[in-house]
Amino acid sequence: ELKVEQNPLFLSMQEGKNYTIYCNYSTTSDRLYWYRQDPGKSLESLFVLLSNGAVKQEGRLMASLDTKARLSTLHITAAVHDLSATYFCAVGRGSQGNLIFGKGTKLSVKP
Amino acid sequence: GAVVSQHPSWVICKSGTSVKIECRSLDFQATTMFWYRQFPKQSLMLMATSNEGSKATYEQGVEKDKFLINHASLTLSTLTVTSAHPEDSSFYICSPQKGLAYNEQFFGPGTRLTVL
Repeated sequence: ELKVEQNPLFLSMQEGKNYTIYCNYSTTSDRLYWYRQDPGKSLESLFVLLSNGAVKQEGRLMASLDTKARLSTLHITAAVHDLSATYFCAVGRGSQGNLIFGKGTKLSVKP
Repeated sequence: GAVVSQHPSWVICKSGTSVKIECRSLDFQATTMFWYRQFPKQSLMLMATSNEGSKATYEQGVEKDKFLINHASLTLSTLTVTSAHPEDSSFYICSPQKGLAYNEQFFGPGTRLTVL
């Protein structure tokens, strides 16, 4: 059974600081996704990582994937308040197409 | 990208009533539809998978007679919560699959159901 673990679950950061969110998964998968969710809203797609060693960057966020270690990271650089949200990683379940989600990391960026 | 709509965006109903939630893919055809449920402050959990014209496949612990899924066309799927109870109060999100599974996964804006 595919399980996805995220840590930390809660993260309080100061503006301008850097931090990394980790996502581990239990069985082989070649699809990993990062999403952002604001309160009361649905999911906003951030990154899709499809191969070992994949690295993608958008603004202050950078995601990477190590399929051998079954680990993805979401790195936040020089955090700003607008990044406050809950971030989910999700892993594709085989060929079925659906995603298994981590529990989410609630990020709060304080001035 | 892809445009996905859900209706209604929120609904409040009394216990024992049924609620229908619609999910439409507005600019693409989806042969497969995933329905997820998110309880407050929790993650998304897959409820069921439906393929157009076929019966839905439900995840363990999800009552198929309570959560009726219809996927009658490639652009419309419905989830009906029958005889709703307060414990069914949740955020329901559809995810139509566009093309191959390796593509970006799209999600509807969600429907917040509150059962009194």
